[in-house]
Amino acid sequence: AQSVTQLGSHVSVSEGALVLLRCNYSSSVPPYLFWYVQYPNQGLQLLLKYTTGATLVKGINGFEAEFKKSETSFHLTKPSAHMSDAAEYFCAVSAYTGANSKLTFGKGITLSVRP
Amino acid sequence: NAGVTQTPKFQVLKTGQSMTLQCAQDMNHEYMSWYRQDPGMGLRLIHYSVGAGITDQGEVPNGYNVSRSTTEDFPLRLLSAAPSQTSVYFCASSPGLASYEQYFGPGTRLTVT
Repeated sequence: AQSVTQLGSHVSVSEGALVLLRCNYSSSVPPYLFWYVQYPNQGLQLLLKYTTGATLVKGINGFEAEFKKSETSFHLTKPSAHMSDAAEYFCAVSAYTGANSKLTFGKGITLSVRP
Repeated sequence: NAGVTQTPKFQVLKTGQSMTLQCAQDMNHEYMSWYRQDPGMGLRLIHYSVGAGITDQGEVPNGYNVSRSTTEDFPLRLLSAAPSQTSVYFCASSPGLASYEQYFGPGTRLTVT
């Protein structure tokens, strides 16, 4: 079984401030980890993913995330927030278990950016 | 490439009515899935398919039916709509399982009164 915990439902930062969105996962087999972003009234799009190899993963729009196996975490960061980063962010976990491999999402975090 | 398309964008149903949400993709992806998104619940998997003719249940399948007769299309049927099915529905496709990115459609906002 696999699960994702995203603590808190809303994060607010000032423009130019550090963005940190937390994600912890549980998986009985080596995980694949994803961050998706959803802008208002749109579908989800991939920000970045970790599969194997380098544990620091860079994504689109200046975001990055680090896979820490010992902490079962995959936190998303961006050094300097921009107004256009305001959106909902979902962490997700998957693992290969054959034909029934599935993607499990966290509950999502809404990011607000103050001018 | 149109990617993943969904119709309709909005729908209002009365309790007990049935309808089909359409989903199509033009990327020749084998893996397709349906999710529902509710406030504070994230996305929950309803049904998925690993190829034409093969479907399986996800986390919340009750009240929904799917079939996959072609690689491109994966319609979701609501058999007898209930207010609890008021939600935003997303279809997604992927070229493979587990480590692959899922490509999402724009969603269908369904209200059941």
